[in-house]
Amino acid sequence: NAGVTQTPKFQVLKTGQSMTLQCAQDMNHEYMSWYRQDPGMGLRLIHYSVGAGITDQGEVPNGYNVSRSTTEDFPLRLLSAAPSQTSVYFCASKRGVGKNTEAFFGQGTRLTVV
Amino acid sequence: QQQVKQSPQSLIVQKGGISIINCAYENTAFDYFPWYQQFPGKGPALLIAIRPDVSEKKEGRFTISFNKSAKQFSLHIMDSQPGDSATYFCAARTTDKLIFGTGTRLQVFP
Repeated sequence: NAGVTQTPKFQVLKTGQSMTLQCAQDMNHEYMSWYRQDPGMGLRLIHYSVGAGITDQGEVPNGYNVSRSTTEDFPLRLLSAAPSQTSVYFCASKRGVGKNTEAFFGQGTRLTVV
Repeated sequence: QQQVKQSPQSLIVQKGGISIINCAYENTAFDYFPWYQQFPGKGPALLIAIRPDVSEKKEGRFTISFNKSAKQFSLHIMDSQPGDSATYFCAARTTDKLIFGTGTRLQVFP
């Protein structure tokens, strides 16, 4: 059972470049989300989805786009990368919407924007 | 504005001691309070969680104390071990958002 899989694990981008961080889960979870982790800031919610075709903004959505065409996949897009987006990105999924179920996290993607 | 405030930022404890991490919140709509543990290079993993209608929950050496009136909750790690050295995050859930604190880096020395 793979759980939540994020690719790539590491990425270096130049300012202004675009890229997509991939996230896939094989647990048939309805809920998926993206967080960024920065020193001293904890984990901050970027975007989340309660099911295929439904997405919503979290605490820090600016500069990021998401879509949810299938239950399994929830890609995060950076259209024009900025140095402020240098961070470690985590994707998480959980069973049920509006329920107190455990969120499972991927291993993270370390992104550096130069 | 940090919706969930966590302290301390770092904590050093001797093996066998008690580690205490505190969190506070303002939003009374939060209805579920989990703690996550993260080891270097890994994603966070659920450690223990509590609902606001319960004042304390214990799982092995880990205990959550919850004070609804003060809007505070804390994690106690009894008999701390070097293997407990990690970053700990408190969190709070409302509707479909899981909001995290800023994290506490715990180091347990032999």
